Amino acid sequence: EAQVTQNPRYLITVTGKKLTVTCSQNMNHEYMSWYRQDPGLGLRQIYYSMNVEVTDKGDVPEGYKVSRKEKRNFPLILESPSPNQTSLYFCASSSLLADSTDTQYFGPGTRLTVL
Amino acid sequence: SQQGEEDPQALSIQEGENATMNCSYKTSINNLQWYRQNSGRGLVHLILIRSNEREKHSGRLRVTLDTSKKSSSLLITASRAADTASYFCATDANTGGFKTIFGAGTRLFVKA
Repeated sequence: EAQVTQNPRYLITVTGKKLTVTCSQNMNHEYMSWYRQDPGLGLRQIYYSMNVEVTDKGDVPEGYKVSRKEKRNFPLILESPSPNQTSLYFCASSSLLADSTDTQYFGPGTRLTVL
Repeated sequence: SQQGEEDPQALSIQEGENATMNCSYKTSINNLQWYRQNSGRGLVHLILIRSNEREKHSGRLRVTLDTSKKSSSLLITASRAADTASYFCATDANTGGFKTIFGAGTRLFVKA
């Protein structure tokens, strides 16, 4: 089954404790992306990647890191989480067309609480 | 910065009625997509419309795109209680990169 998986689904942590949220897709998509969703703000893009070793900033990259060492995986790293990073996080992937992304497939989300 | 802006923010209708949601954006785009989300769960893709297309249909969904006005609309015909969800537009901004920008969404409530 074609899917995007994220782990963990729920995480409660404390300020400053490094954490990683994993994302994996089995559709051989070139494009992967991380979003955060906060009430009333819709989804905001954190980082995206167009292929292995190619990443770029979205609208809200501060406080986050990503890596794309393999095509299927795109982990999101919070080196020193703060309470304002409490949010619902989504990973997505899509194939790439000549000038745009195609349909994006979303993971189930990771609800992160930073105390 | 938010590019897509949905209107209205919330919409409540009776089952069987049509629901129309609008999306406006600021920069030129390659394509525009509509997604649906059921309360805090993952997003489900509905329709992708390319910048050279004006209208697209999928079942009870009809999407229009007016690039001169930088706006799109999503029409759900003969709505059902199961259509209750939040609906988002997302633009693949033609800015040289592959950024995706979502609007804040329209919350649709369909009363049985």
